[in-house]
Amino acid sequence: QVTLRESGPALVKPTQTLTLTCTFSGFSLSTSGMCVSWIRQPPGKALEWLALIDWDDDKYYSTSLKTRLTISKDTSKNQVVLTMTNMDPVDTATYYCARTNWGTYYFDYWGQGTLVTVSS
Amino acid sequence: QSVLTQPPSASGTPGQRVTISCSGSSSNIGSNTVNWYQQLPGTAPKLLIYSNNQRPSGVPDRFSGSKSGTSASLAISGLQSEDEADYYCAAWDDSLIWVFGGGTKLTVL
Repeated sequence: QVTLRESGPALVKPTQTLTLTCTFSGFSLSTSGMCVSWIRQPPGKALEWLALIDWDDDKYYSTSLKTRLTISKDTSKNQVVLTMTNMDPVDTATYYCARTNWGTYYFDYWGQGTLVTVSS
Repeated sequence: QSVLTQPPSASGTPGQRVTISCSGSSSNIGSNTVNWYQQLPGTAPKLLIYSNNQRPSGVPDRFSGSKSGTSASLAISGLQSEDEADYYCAAWDDSLIWVFGGGTKLTVL
């Protein structure tokens, strides 16, 4: 059974750095082709893809946010970590992690999401 | 501003057939497969259609997808009240990013 769960602070102040952790089970990020992405959704707005890391440690970032994002993985802990620097109130959103695969090209399993509010 | 273009809203009465469009470009829909996600209120998105027209196990055959050129469509036949949700299309882009549509809010009248 595949599960993903996001964790991190519910509230961050402007200019701070956000660190989110995706802890997953039911698959291994060392399996060829496996990937985990981060996707966010501001309240009442659309989904926005942020970053992806694959089994081979290749990393891909949103064009508009890549200067602020870092994605990493700890295969032994089944975790993927996303850091976003210089947080702003417009970054208030529910942040999801989701599994995908280079062979399939779809997000088949999603975490339940974690709401991050940016406010002083 | 989402890369893929969807109508912001759609509606239908129970039993009707509704379609939702998704327009992209040659670098995303034109050269890669399209996926559709259903997001019920207060929940995470759920994969509804993958590889343009394939349904994951458990998704009713009332849901179908198609793709032509740089556009894709999601069709829901025999509309039911529980289909009221937000629907998103997505595709991989050749610039090495994932792109989503702006979402369509489906209302069952």
